[in-house]
Order: sequence, then C-alpha cells, then structure tokens
Amino acid sequence: DTGVSQNPRHKITKRGQNVTFRCDPISEHNRLYWYRQTLGQGPEFLTYFQNEAQLEKSRLLSDRFSAERPKGSFSTLEIQRTEQGDSAMYLCASSFGQGEFDEQFFGPGTRLTVL
Amino acid sequence: RKEVEQDPGPFNVPEGATVAFNCTYSNSASQSFFWYRQDCRKEPKLLMSVYSSGNEDGRFTAQLNRASQYISLLIRDSKLSDSATYLCVVLSNQAGTALIFGKGTTLSVSS
Repeated sequence: DTGVSQNPRHKITKRGQNVTFRCDPISEHNRLYWYRQTLGQGPEFLTYFQNEAQLEKSRLLSDRFSAERPKGSFSTLEIQRTEQGDSAMYLCASSFGQGEFDEQFFGPGTRLTVL
Repeated sequence: RKEVEQDPGPFNVPEGATVAFNCTYSNSASQSFFWYRQDCRKEPKLLMSVYSSGNEDGRFTAQLNRASQYISLLIRDSKLSDSATYLCVVLSNQAGTALIFGKGTTLSVSS
C-alpha cells in the first residue's frame, strides 16, 4: 500500500496519560500535515512540515501537543496529559509540495478516546 | 463568522435526483477551492477542484462566485454510491498550505 499510513488506528487512554501517534507519508512527499476532526465537524489544521522543518502551527495546538518529523520522512504527534476534549480523529496528510495544485492525500486517521 | 460555512443537511434524495450543495467563505483573498468527499469513518478524499470558470467531472459540476464568496457543487443523476459527506474546502492564505474545511454536508441517496 503506497498511501499515507497511520498508527495506531485506535487509541483509548485515561485522562492524564501521554499518547503518541505515528504518520508515514507517501514516499517522496516532502510536505506533511496534521489535522484533527471531531464528530460533526470538518478537519481542523494543526501543523505542517516541509521536510523536517515545522513551518506552521495552529492556535489549536496547545503546549501539550508536540509534533516532530526528525528525518523528513515519518512524523509523530504526541499529546501530553490528555484531556477528554482531546478525543477526536487525528488525520495526517502528505503532499508533493510542487506545482500549481498541491493535492493533500489523507491517511485513515487515528481515533483517540480519552476516558 | 466561520471561515467556511455549509448547510450540514442531511440531504435525503432518491436515486436519479439532482442535488446542489452550497458553501460560503469569509476570506476574500482566498485563491484555491475544493470539494472533498468523506465516507463514514473514512478519511477525506479530493473530489474536485473549483475554478473560476466552473468545472465539470462527469455528473459533478463545481462553480465559484468570487464576488459573492460562494462555492457550489451540483450532482446530477444521483447514485446510491454518492451517499457521503461533502466537505467544502478553502486553501488558507495565512498558512499557505493549510486546508480550511467546512463542517460538511451529508447526502443520503436512497433507492
């Protein structure tokens, strides 16, 4: 499968615990994005990487959230001291980063439930 | 005001019907517009880009009215497989790359 992959697909945790999600983008895609989607809403942008550089962060990304893309390939999103309001689908997307229209391809998401 | 607003529906139509979705956006400087489709519990997938001149892809037609900051999607001859949530999307100028999604409009096509 050459699409964007995300692991785990589901995560249930207790409030206060830390969780980490992984995203493997389409190979050769140099841009990687994280979005969050809650029930009944469209995805909301969290952060964006160009290669290993994190170039943009949304105001939604509180201090408890950190994202990395150390070698410009896969990325991790960590949430510290989880809260019930963090329960959502976390979507990763990647794009080639060139051309007039840079289509973003989404992964299947990681569904987080905070009890 | 939300950056991208859509009527959430649901729209319940019979097979063969024509259905139209509308969307408005608040940032007049926005340059790129899209419709994404999202099936239940799946990831969003690009349906089509929206150009100023309007564009058509088979049964789907997208229109953009920059003066009114309004985007539309028309689906003709609806199929059962068209049942999904349709997300209106604007490319953010501020981030340059972030997609700004509407809440989505749910379509249910029945036989």
